[in-house]
Amino acid sequence: GNSVTQMEGPVTLSEEAFLTINCTYTATGYPSLFWYVQYPGEGLQLLLKATKADDKGSNKGFEATYRKETTSFHLEKGSVQVSDSAVYFCALRSGNTGKLIFGQGTTLQVKP
Amino acid sequence: DSGVTQTPKHLITATGQRVTLRCSPRSGDLSVYWYQQSLDQGLQFLIQYYNGEERAKGNILERFSAQQFPDLHSELNLSSLELGDSALYFCASSPRAGVSTDTQYFGPGTRLTVL
Repeated sequence: GNSVTQMEGPVTLSEEAFLTINCTYTATGYPSLFWYVQYPGEGLQLLLKATKADDKGSNKGFEATYRKETTSFHLEKGSVQVSDSAVYFCALRSGNTGKLIFGQGTTLQVKP
Repeated sequence: DSGVTQTPKHLITATGQRVTLRCSPRSGDLSVYWYQQSLDQGLQFLIQYYNGEERAKGNILERFSAQQFPDLHSELNLSSLELGDSALYFCASSPRAGVSTDTQYFGPGTRLTVL
């Protein structure tokens, strides 16, 4: 069945460091891929998405490229800020199913 | 603000009780989804409604049920509550059903604590 695997956290970085959070997926067909972010005490917010191979999603300095050959959608940011501290979820949505399938989430802590 | 509203924000109840969680989708969205977030299971899809009809089911327990009303708001009913039902319950909405490219917008969640 379809699944998403994210790198284990927590990830702790200093401010202005480079961020990569790995995400790989297993899916039939051509899924759409999403990154959601959950700030402490809040709900899920869409960070970015990509709907076909080689698409790059970007928002607020974050980027992720849909790589079909490696079934990956890694999240990157060139310079993180303390305000980026949150839990990041990679997710896929495939075919005509309504549901999102989420990875287990990666906690990012950025220290000043 | 995603435009999806959920009430109540917090709910504390006892084992064996029944509760109702409410969700109002974004204006114009016809699909509503319910998800459960718990420490051991992560984020799991429960059920989807589209324009009043059940569209898809996930790992939803028989003790749980949902419905979507003509004004498109949805309610998730949880009965015979157990300690393990303590979790954060999210509602999400999207314009259509079955379109994988559509974004789902999430509400702030209802935190359920079963004592």
